[in-house]
Parts: sequence; C-alpha cells; structure tokens
Amino acid sequence: DQQVKQNSPSLSVQEGRISILNCDYTNSMFDYFLWYKKYPAEGPTFLISISSIKDKNEDGRFTVFLNKSAKHLSLHIVPSQPGDSAVYFCAAPYAGGTSYGKLTFGQGTILTVHP
Amino acid sequence: KAGVTQTPRYLIKTRGQQVTLSCSPISGHRSVSWYQQTPGQGLQFLFEYFSETQRNKGNFPGRFSGRQFSNSRSEMNVSTLELGDSALYLCASQTGGKATNEKLFFGSGTQLSVL
Repeated sequence: DQQVKQNSPSLSVQEGRISILNCDYTNSMFDYFLWYKKYPAEGPTFLISISSIKDKNEDGRFTVFLNKSAKHLSLHIVPSQPGDSAVYFCAAPYAGGTSYGKLTFGQGTILTVHP
Repeated sequence: KAGVTQTPRYLIKTRGQQVTLSCSPISGHRSVSWYQQTPGQGLQFLFEYFSETQRNKGNFPGRFSGRQFSNSRSEMNVSTLELGDSALYLCASQTGGKATNEKLFFGSGTQLSVL
C-alpha cells in the first residue's frame, strides 16, 4: 500500500527556472512531511520539512507547500541549479502507531537541471 | 562531527549465504534505523534500534535481523540470501526521539548483490 506517491518519475528543467516536484499521500493521519535529496552512491540527505499546521515552509531556494484538503505537497526550487540534479523523495513518519525511525517514502523523482 | 558510517560499501554473495552489514551512527545518536532500497519498491523500513532494543519493525521476513551494541553501533544480518535481496541497504541515525520532528541522517549505504 503506497501511502506516499510521487507520480512523476523524472523532471527536466533549465538552469535558472523553477523546479516543481509533487507528492500525494493517502493517509490523513500523516502530520509531518519531509523532503530528502539523494545523489548517486550517497545516502539521502534531509532538505526541508513541513508540519501539517502550516501550509508553507521556506528555506533559501527551497519552498514546500502543503494542501491538506487535497492531500498534496510540492517542493519548489527557485532558481534551479545544475547541482540540484538528484533524486528527490518525499516522506512522512509512520502514522497510527510508533513511528520510531520509520518513514514512509515516495518512489522518488529524478530531477535533471540542464545548464 | 563524523557522519553515519556503513561498511562495507559493496558486497557480492551467492544465494543461500548469509551476510552481516555494519553501521556506526553519528556520535551522540542512540537510534539506528535500517532501510532497503530497490528500484521496484523504493525505500522500505526494516527496523529501528534504540539502547540495544528493537523498538520498531517493518514488514520483512525473519531472515532479516539486527542488533545494536552498547556504543550504539548496529549490525544487520540477512540469512539464506535470495536473489531478491539484492539492494542498497541504508542505515540512518537520530538522537532517539520519534521521527515526527526529528530528521534521519543516512549513511552512504551498502550495495549488496546476490548472485
């Protein structure tokens, strides 16, 4: 049961433009969301998070938007840089029980930023 | 501060063998989680340890086991290897609270190939 879904396997954008990565979830008990970035041969690194009490969180070039009624979140990268090329995962802590260490991840979106 | 260290980086085994992977968390982190990443299933939670006790477990067969030592270092073991166990195994650490508002720090992973 894929409770966190990233329906776009890949995204290609031009340097300097906006990148928008999308994520949908089905479990309404999720109350916190995280985005991780992963380069080849490395582990995922934390990028930005958002609590369900907010609808937006910003950190430099990265902004995450949360639409609870639509069970949808998106990550905006402005402006996009070639170094942003990586796989992006959205994730949520397990809901409905103990969540120690347990994140539910989406399938990931491969972002390619062309110079 | 050193990051999460996983050894070995690469491992090749044959079906039926067993394998042990090692993880050293960030200094001061007492929680260690393990994840399996495959192209088809994405990142899936295996288990989490805190103070040498397993606090949380994912939906994997009993062939997958782990343990944590008093210095918070952790090992995971896979017995009777199957071809489908070929994957990137990621270890993550955190100070020890719930994942709800505490991000995970991942190692670079161990790439296991089962022939």
